[in-house]
This record gives sequence, structure tokens and C-alpha cells, in this order.
Amino acid sequence: DIQMTQSPSSLSASVGDRVTITCQASQDIRNYLNWYQQKPGKAPKLLIYDASYLETGVPSRFSGSGSGTDFTFTISSLQPEDIATYYCQQYDDLPTFGQGTRLEIK
Amino acid sequence: EVQLVESGGGLAQPGRSLRVSCAASGFSFHNYAMHWVRQAPGKGLEWVSGISWNSVGIGYADSVKGRFTISRDNAKNSLSLQMNSLRLEDTALYYCAKGFGLCTAGGCYSDAFDIWGQGTMVTVSS
Repeated sequence: DIQMTQSPSSLSASVGDRVTITCQASQDIRNYLNWYQQKPGKAPKLLIYDASYLETGVPSRFSGSGSGTDFTFTISSLQPEDIATYYCQQYDDLPTFGQGTRLEIK
Repeated sequence: EVQLVESGGGLAQPGRSLRVSCAASGFSFHNYAMHWVRQAPGKGLEWVSGISWNSVGIGYADSVKGRFTISRDNAKNSLSLQMNSLRLEDTALYYCAKGFGLCTAGGCYSDAFDIWGQGTMVTVSS
């Protein structure tokens, strides 16, 4: 199985801050990497697919980059409604998720 | 409205069986891979199983292989997961999820998940 390692596991930031989360794959997954947002008590929501493509309707302050084994997810200007847990997920092999990054407001 | 509605969760004893189902509406169900993803209380997401649009391609996480069986009925827009030999560690909220469509080969099911249901809770306890 391909292991996905996210960092940090939790993060505290202020409104307006630039926030970055990284995800590292245990082997080359090309660009087969997706990012999800999960708010408490809700189902996950797809934000980014194929490492860098924004899902329809997702605000442009969210972005993704990377290929191979190293990937980055960025929120350019943190908003209060962005408080959630974020997960990366690879689909080069059987799908696997990272362990999640809990984002809080400072 | 695109919608996935899970049902069939509940309480089961270790070693027993349970079947969860998902009713799809608002999209061409027969065109997309479908998946089950679970989340244990307070934990992260774990992909459980996926099935291609034509049921040719099927995959399972190692943690459920040999115990769980995924199936779909395109005529009824429904997805099911038969769970046998349940273990305490199978306790989780089980989500039904639609494949995004990145996966285009006939038997392919590895994909992103763009539509999710609200989940059905499965509790395994003696």
C-alpha cells in the first residue's frame, strides 16, 4: 500500500494568514493526488483533484501543487469558514488517505 | 439534486454480519465508479472498497479483504456493502461516495470522490 504522510497534524493560524499543508507519498504517485476538507459532523468535500485542479465552486484561495512524492496544499488568505480538517488522498494505487491536518483559528 | 443516502447501519456483535446500502439519485449512476469510505469515531478517513461502473473492477482495503463484499445494481441506482465476520475495529461511520470520473478505463475504480452521503453508523460490540 502507498502510505501518505501529512504535516503538520494540527495547525493554528490567524484570519488572513497564508496556510500550507504538505503531503508526502511513500512512492511516486505522479499527480494522482486529491485534497478534501471535512468540517465537524459533515462529510468530506473534494477541493483539489489531480494535485492542482480546483473543483468547481471551490474558492480560488485554495490551491494545490506538486508531483511525484511531494505535494502542497495552500490557503492564500485564511477565512473563518476554513476551519476544518484537511486530508490528502492518492489514487495511483488502491486509494489511501493521509492522517489529516486539523486547522484552527488562533 | 445529486444525492447519496446510506442505510442499514446499526449494532452487531463481533463475528456477525451486516449489510449497508446506498441509494443514488440526480446523476447517471451507471457511468461512475462508486466507493465506501469509513471513519472510526474521532479518527481519519479510510477507503474501504470501490467498484467500477460495470462491476468488472473491484478493490478492497487489506483490512476488510475476504470479509466484505461490494456490489452495485445499476438498474436500481444502488450500491451495497456486505460485511461479514465483523470485528470491533470495523466500528465506524460508513460513507458512500461517487467516483469523480478521473478513472476512465473499463474496470478502473481508483479515483477521487466528489459526492458523499451523510454516512451510516456501524457499531460492533458484544
